[in-house]
Amino acid sequence: QQQVKQSPQSLIVQKGGISIINCAYENTAFDYFPWYQQFPGKGPALLIAIRPDVSEKKEGRFTISFNKSAKQFSLHIMDSQPGDSATYFCAAIGMGGLTFGKGTHLIIQP
Amino acid sequence: DAGVIQSPRHEVTEMGQEVTLRCKPISGHNSLFWYRQTMMRGLELLIYFNNNVPIDDSGMPEDRFSAKMPNASFSTLKIQPSEPRDSAVYFCASSSPSGHNTEAFFGQGTRLTVV
Repeated sequence: QQQVKQSPQSLIVQKGGISIINCAYENTAFDYFPWYQQFPGKGPALLIAIRPDVSEKKEGRFTISFNKSAKQFSLHIMDSQPGDSATYFCAAIGMGGLTFGKGTHLIIQP
Repeated sequence: DAGVIQSPRHEVTEMGQEVTLRCKPISGHNSLFWYRQTMMRGLELLIYFNNNVPIDDSGMPEDRFSAKMPNASFSTLKIQPSEPRDSAVYFCASSSPSGHNTEAFFGQGTRLTVV
């Protein structure tokens, strides 16, 4: 059973546009929701994270929106840049550690 | 700190051989995770240790896989015998003891190819 569902699988956005990646979870015991960014040949690295008692968190061009009742959260990348091209993973944390979505391969076209 | 250190970075082995992947977590971290990444299945949690004790190994695919953490600074993931379908990138990650709502730091991964 996939506990964290992520979409889309791949995404192409023009430079300067908004990239949006969506995730949904099932387990209400999850209590922390990080996003990880992974470049080729590297391990995932924490990008931004949110707790379920907050509806939005913004760090620079990156924003997480969280809808607890719908059990959904999303990552918005404003003014997307070619350097943002990477694979993005949403995740959820409970007592069993990190559970990841399957990832979104993002390409920002110059 | 040098971060999470994994070795080897690349491993090519023949089907049926034993493979051992190694991980040195960040000093002071008390949680350690082994993940497997493939195109088809994404990042899968294989096993999770807390204070050197395996807490959840439900992600270990079968008995051919085993993991140990003999002390706070070292862990191994062993596959015996290896099969071509085990080909993947294996990541080790560690996190600090300030609760489970903390960042997990990943190593560079070991790319395993079983031929």
